[in-house]
Amino acid sequence: GESVGLHLPTLSVQEGDNSIINCAYSNSASDYFIWYKQESGKGPQFIIDIRSNMDKRQGQRVTVLLNKTVKHLSLQIAATQPGDSAVYFCAASSYKLIFGSGTRLLVRP
Amino acid sequence: SQTIHQWPATLVQPVGSPLSLECTVEGTSNPNLYWYRQAAGRGLQLLFYSVGIGQISSEVPQNLSASRPQDRQFILSSKKLLLSDSGFYLCAWSEVGTRQLNTQYFGPGTRLTVL
Repeated sequence: GESVGLHLPTLSVQEGDNSIINCAYSNSASDYFIWYKQESGKGPQFIIDIRSNMDKRQGQRVTVLLNKTVKHLSLQIAATQPGDSAVYFCAASSYKLIFGSGTRLLVRP
Repeated sequence: SQTIHQWPATLVQPVGSPLSLECTVEGTSNPNLYWYRQAAGRGLQLLFYSVGIGQISSEVPQNLSASRPQDRQFILSSKKLLLSDSGFYLCAWSEVGTRQLNTQYFGPGTRLTVL
């Protein structure tokens, strides 16, 4: 069946550095992708989305890149801050939304 | 703007007891509604989704059931809880549509511990 997987369960970065969180999906028919941020004890929060007719989309300090050829998605966070510490999920959708297992981002002071 | 509420925030229940978790959405009409369970350190498992009042689809066979008595109210229930029902339960909504394509927005969650 369909699957979505993140490459690393945990990512540790220095405050101020850029963070890159990677995600792979299995269904080539997926045409919509979302990144969520989940802080401890809270529900996931929408960060940014991208449709399959785009390769790149930018938000405030975040950029999502989509490579449909290799079915890979990444989230880049510029100038990572302590408040960015959380678990990040990617999700891919063809007819339903499939979530990855999450990458925990740890920001070192 | 739209908001989604869940209650209670935390719940500790004995094995074999009943369960009722409630979710309500404000600021939108006829949303798609979803119940997810998240085990500790794990991803999201879709339990139920609903595209309208009284319309419930179950994704996995389990000890739980869902109901949608009103347009913006979604309830997760169990007659007898199992230890394995412990977890973090999340309700979500998305804009009207028959496909689960659109962005889903999550509530704050309910932490359920079954002892």
